[in-house]
Amino acid sequence: AQSVTQLGSHVSVSEGALVLLRCNYSSSVPPYLFWYVQYPNQGLQLLLKYTSAATLVKGINGFEAEFKKSETSFHLTKPSAHMSDAAEYFCAVSAQGSGGYNKLIFGAGTRLAVHP
Amino acid sequence: SQTIHQWPATLVQPVGSPLSLECTVEGTSNPNLYWYRQAAGRGLQLLFYSVGIGQISSEVPQNLSASRPQDRQFILSSKKLLLSDSGFYLCAWSVHGTGRSFATNEKLFFGSGTQLSVL
Repeated sequence: AQSVTQLGSHVSVSEGALVLLRCNYSSSVPPYLFWYVQYPNQGLQLLLKYTSAATLVKGINGFEAEFKKSETSFHLTKPSAHMSDAAEYFCAVSAQGSGGYNKLIFGAGTRLAVHP
Repeated sequence: SQTIHQWPATLVQPVGSPLSLECTVEGTSNPNLYWYRQAAGRGLQLLFYSVGIGQISSEVPQNLSASRPQDRQFILSSKKLLLSDSGFYLCAWSVHGTGRSFATNEKLFFGSGTQLSVL
């Protein structure tokens, strides 16, 4: 069965510092992987997705993630944090649902705080 | 363009009362529809998904049920709420598809959520 583990429920960085949010996955088939962001009191928005093309995936707002099969990882990075990046970030993997259709399995989330 | 509406935004209900949360999608046809619950510190849990009218798949046994009476309408219900039903409920839709090709299009569009407090 597919699953994702996000290491660190809270991450705090200074403005301008590197952002690194960790995600490890488990999948019995080649995975499709996603990062979503949730701003306070809002739904989720797709940041980026990996679907077996380039292993380095670029998303919106300067974020990118690298798929590493040997490490079963899909960590999210951004070179320089901005105050507006403060949000909760979810890693997800595509899995087969009980009705035979695909669904997304989400990690528990990582709350990113950015301080001046 | 497609939009998704979810209401109410907040709801406070007593234990044992019924629940009905509604979600509608505009600007697309035959979408896949989803209900997720986000409990504090526990991330997102898929509750139900639907690939068509009257077709509901339940992911976890619980006190809730879902229905899809129309193509773009998805309803989450309960006959008697429990304290443990408190949480942030999110409706989402995606383009309809199956198999691996579906996964490549598996971009979920989320509603703004309903904060449910059961007291």
